[in-house]
Amino acid sequence: EAQVTQNPRYLITVTGKKLTVTCSQNMNHEYMSWYRQDPGLGLRQIYYSMNVEVTDKGDVPEGYKVSRKEKRNFPLILESPSPNQTSLYFCASSPGQGEQPQHFGDGTRLSIL
Amino acid sequence: KQEVTQIPAALSVPEGENLVLNCSFTDSAIYNLQWFRQDPGKGLTSLLLIQSSQREQTSGRLNASLDKSSGRSTLYIAASQPGDSATYLCAVWLWDDKIIFGKGTRLHILP
Repeated sequence: EAQVTQNPRYLITVTGKKLTVTCSQNMNHEYMSWYRQDPGLGLRQIYYSMNVEVTDKGDVPEGYKVSRKEKRNFPLILESPSPNQTSLYFCASSPGQGEQPQHFGDGTRLSIL
Repeated sequence: KQEVTQIPAALSVPEGENLVLNCSFTDSAIYNLQWFRQDPGKGLTSLLLIQSSQREQTSGRLNASLDKSSGRSTLYIAASQPGDSATYLCAVWLWDDKIIFGKGTRLHILP
């Protein structure tokens, strides 16, 4: 079954404690991206990757890092989380930029205290 | 900077009605446009993708149109059903590989 898997689904942590949200896809897709969704602000792109070792900033990259060492994995790293990064995060993949089929993970709800 | 606006923010209609959701964008230089559906607590499901050279796409009871010159897209849902209740998101893909989302229209179909 084609899927994008995010872990963890829920996390409550404290300011400054480094965390990583993993994202894995099983469709051999080249394009992967991370989004955050906030009430009143909608869905905003954080980072995206066109292929292995190719990453670029989206609309709101500040405070985040990503890596793409393998095609299937695209982890989101918060080196020093702050309360304004409390949000619902989604990972997605597609064959290429703007191509179908596009799959989203089920989301990771992060609370930074 | 590209901005995507969706009107209305929320909509309630009786079952069986045909309805139209609107999306507008400020810069017509888009790669393509995509409509998504999001159910509460879930990720997004892609509904229709319209490439910049296309005028419309259809899938079942859904039809999406694109008018790049006026910066508008519409999603037409025919014969609405309670299962159509969800938030519908419009997004534009830019030529620099980024994507910009609208804030969505929350749709409630009344049985």
